[in-house]
Amino acid sequence: DTGVSQDPRHKITKRGQNVTFRCDPISEHNRLYWYRQTLGQGPEFLTYFQNEAQLEKSRLLSDRFSAERPKGSFSTLEIQRTEQGDSAMYLCASSLVGTQTQYFGPGTRLLVL
Amino acid sequence: DQQVKQNSPSLSVQEGRISILNCDYTNSMFDYFLWYKKYPAEGPTFLISISSIKDKNEDGRFTVFLNKSAKHLSLHIVPSQPGDSAVYFCAARLDSNYQLIWGAGTKLIIKP
Repeated sequence: DTGVSQDPRHKITKRGQNVTFRCDPISEHNRLYWYRQTLGQGPEFLTYFQNEAQLEKSRLLSDRFSAERPKGSFSTLEIQRTEQGDSAMYLCASSLVGTQTQYFGPGTRLLVL
Repeated sequence: DQQVKQNSPSLSVQEGRISILNCDYTNSMFDYFLWYKKYPAEGPTFLISISSIKDKNEDGRFTVFLNKSAKHLSLHIVPSQPGDSAVYFCAARLDSNYQLIWGAGTKLIIKP
């Protein structure tokens, strides 16, 4: 395991459709984070997990967004009834408890038409 | 309310010279500051970090300086190389929930 992986790398969908993204963290990392990045901005925090527990959710995460990490390993981020404003790069990161460095995956670029 | 600001959208530096990237913050509850580098179509790559109790951290060509009284940090790259051309993000970690708060990034261009 050489790093954080995300799938798919790109997703084009029509407004109103549901999409699901997957993140596989570095295997021994127990914290997993989701961020969203739009053009010209830094990433914005969405949510994070410690093992399988979702410990924090940003107010940016509307009811249409849900994230899971069922076995404390991989995580999924689902967006229901997508809107054009959801178009962004969705980034996943992982870290070890007790350390400050978050390691990022390549991201999933979402385009909502 | 932007808690972390990078006021220079871009910076152009001659190869071999020093690159200095700046970052300002407002929240005194940040306990770590991190610099990431990002190429197009890739996720951010960690470069170097500094604890809020330190004022300098060095790793090879990269040095980060923290001035807590001014709420300012800077990343020095010396000597600058063409492969350093990328967008550099400053991020600050909240000690309460470990989330990173990011600046908008500075695009560094190294001229040959």
